[in-house]
Amino acid sequence: GDSVTQMEGPVTLSEEAFLTINCTYTATGYPSLFWYVQYPGEGLQLLLKATKADDKGSNKGFEATYRKETTSFHLEKGSVQVSDSAVYFCALSRYNQGGKLIFGQGTELSVKP
Amino acid sequence: DVKVTQSSRYLVKRTGEKVFLECVQDMDHENMFWYRQDPGLGLRLIYFSYDVKMKEKGDIPEGYSVSREKKERFSLILESASTNQTSMYLCASSFLASQETQYFGPGTRLLVL
Repeated sequence: GDSVTQMEGPVTLSEEAFLTINCTYTATGYPSLFWYVQYPGEGLQLLLKATKADDKGSNKGFEATYRKETTSFHLEKGSVQVSDSAVYFCALSRYNQGGKLIFGQGTELSVKP
Repeated sequence: DVKVTQSSRYLVKRTGEKVFLECVQDMDHENMFWYRQDPGLGLRLIYFSYDVKMKEKGDIPEGYSVSREKKERFSLILESASTNQTSMYLCASSFLASQETQYFGPGTRLLVL
């Protein structure tokens, strides 16, 4: 069945460091791919998404490119801030099941000043 | 502004009690979802509804039921709470198509004693 695998956390970085959080997927058909972020004490919110191969999603300095050949959607940011400390979830839309998502296990990011 | 609200942020219940979690969205979304979030497991779909009075089981429906009598409201019911249902419960909503963004509520942290 469809699945999403994220790199394990927690990830601890210093402010202004480069961030990569790996995400790979297994899916039927051509899913849309998403990154959601959960700040402490809050629900999830969409960070970025890509709906077809080679699309790049971007928001708040974060980027991810939909790579069909490597079935990956890695999240990157050139210079992280303390305010980026959160849990990040990679997700894909389930094939032909209008709106349902499969989530990875989440990666906790902690950015130190 | 998009809004999904959940009836409680924190809830403490005893084993065997009937528990109601309420979710309301103000975006006229067709889809509504209930997830539970546990460390290391990401989000797992409990139930899903794509229309009033329509519901579908998700990946972990056992011990739960749902009700959707109005488009904006989706209730999760624990018929007889057990300690293994201690978790964070997240409600979400979206438009019908598969690439649509899901909007999340702030979550209810449930402790079953």
